Amino acid sequence: DTGVSQDPRHKITKRGQNVTFRCDPISEHNRLYWYRQTLGQGPEFLTYFQNEAQLEKSRLLSDRFSAERPKGSFSTLEIQRTEQGDSAMYLCASSLDQTRVWEQYFGPGTRLTVT
Amino acid sequence: LAKTTQPISMDSYEGQEVNITCSHNNIATNDYITWYQQFPSQGPRFIIQGYKTKVTNEVASLFIPADRKSSTLSLPRVSLSDTAVYYCLVGRSSNTGKLIFGQGTTLQVKP
Repeated sequence: DTGVSQDPRHKITKRGQNVTFRCDPISEHNRLYWYRQTLGQGPEFLTYFQNEAQLEKSRLLSDRFSAERPKGSFSTLEIQRTEQGDSAMYLCASSLDQTRVWEQYFGPGTRLTVT
Repeated sequence: LAKTTQPISMDSYEGQEVNITCSHNNIATNDYITWYQQFPSQGPRFIIQGYKTKVTNEVASLFIPADRKSSTLSLPRVSLSDTAVYYCLVGRSSNTGKLIFGQGTTLQVKP
């Protein structure tokens, strides 16, 4: 299967702990996006990469959040000192390049629960 | 980015055609209209995109009137597996790819 994969699928952590999520995009896709989705709402944009360069970050992405895409392939999203408000589904998506940005392929998401 | 308005929820029965309308009164000349589908516990899936008139693919049809202030996603002969949330998004092709999702329309297909 050559779709977008995310790991882990579920994560339960205690408030104050750090967590890291991984996303593997479709191999030939240059663009990679992170979104967050809470229950009953549509996904909210967090950040995106063009290859290894992080080109935009949402104001939702506080300084506790950091994302990397070190070699332009997989990406990681780290949340430091988690808070209960961070509980959400974290979605990763990729698109072929800047000409196909509206056709994004989403992974299954990582569901984070902060207790 | 143009604001979109779509019904919060819709019900249908298997075998019926479902039409979901999205209003986007402030759509700009360069904006495209894109629809995504999301099943429970899955990421959204791109369904269809159009600029004007009619676009059809193996999943759905998208109807866009001449003034482009609204669009209608048409799902032919729905089945139970079409139960999902459907999102209408509007933006230009040069957009960075920051998709702005609203609440979407929750479609419930009943047997």
